[in-house]
Amino acid sequence: EDQVTQSPEALRLQEGESSSLNCSYTVSGLRGLFWYRQDPGKGPEFLFTLYSAGEEKEKERLKATLTKKESFLHITAPKPEDSATYLCAALPNFGNEKLTFGTGTRLTIIP
Amino acid sequence: NAGVTQTPKFRVLKTGQSMTLLCAQDMNHEYMYWYRQDPGMGLRLIHYSVGEGTTAKGEVPDGYNVSRLKKQNFLLGLESAAPSQTSVYFCASIRRGAGQAFFGQGTRLTVV
Repeated sequence: EDQVTQSPEALRLQEGESSSLNCSYTVSGLRGLFWYRQDPGKGPEFLFTLYSAGEEKEKERLKATLTKKESFLHITAPKPEDSATYLCAALPNFGNEKLTFGTGTRLTIIP
Repeated sequence: NAGVTQTPKFRVLKTGQSMTLLCAQDMNHEYMYWYRQDPGMGLRLIHYSVGEGTTAKGEVPDGYNVSRLKKQNFLLGLESAAPSQTSVYFCASIRRGAGQAFFGQGTRLTVV
């Protein structure tokens, strides 16, 4: 069964304190690994798609990386506006269209 | 271009009542999904569809039914609502081969 696990569940950082969020996945072949940001009361907002091990994507203070078993979302010098829940999701190979999400990491950046 | 639109945004139901949630997308996406989100549980897949006229069960399908009569619409039905179905419901759509899911703003459903 496809499974996506995120850690930690919650993370509190001081402004400017860099860290990483983890997403480990077990799927029957990986077509894509996705990162989303979700603010309270809103739907998830797309951040990145990663397709193959070794791939990296960057956007402002965020960088996503992918290995064969896990993905990391690195946050460099975060600001309070980066506070949100970060979700990752895995889409298996063609023939299985279930998009499976992890439970998310709730990130709080303290000014 | 509205993207993914969910109707309604809020609803309160009494136990045993029925209702239908509507998801509409204007991006011509093939795949559509219904998720529920509960505290500490993340997004759990209820049902999904890979094309007009086709649906499949997800992780938590019991108590829900779906229909995809038109490519742009995906309906989620609750025939006899239960308090355990109190949740926030999200619809998402994906273009085949692309992978990036676009989400609606959610429907907050309370069953009393």
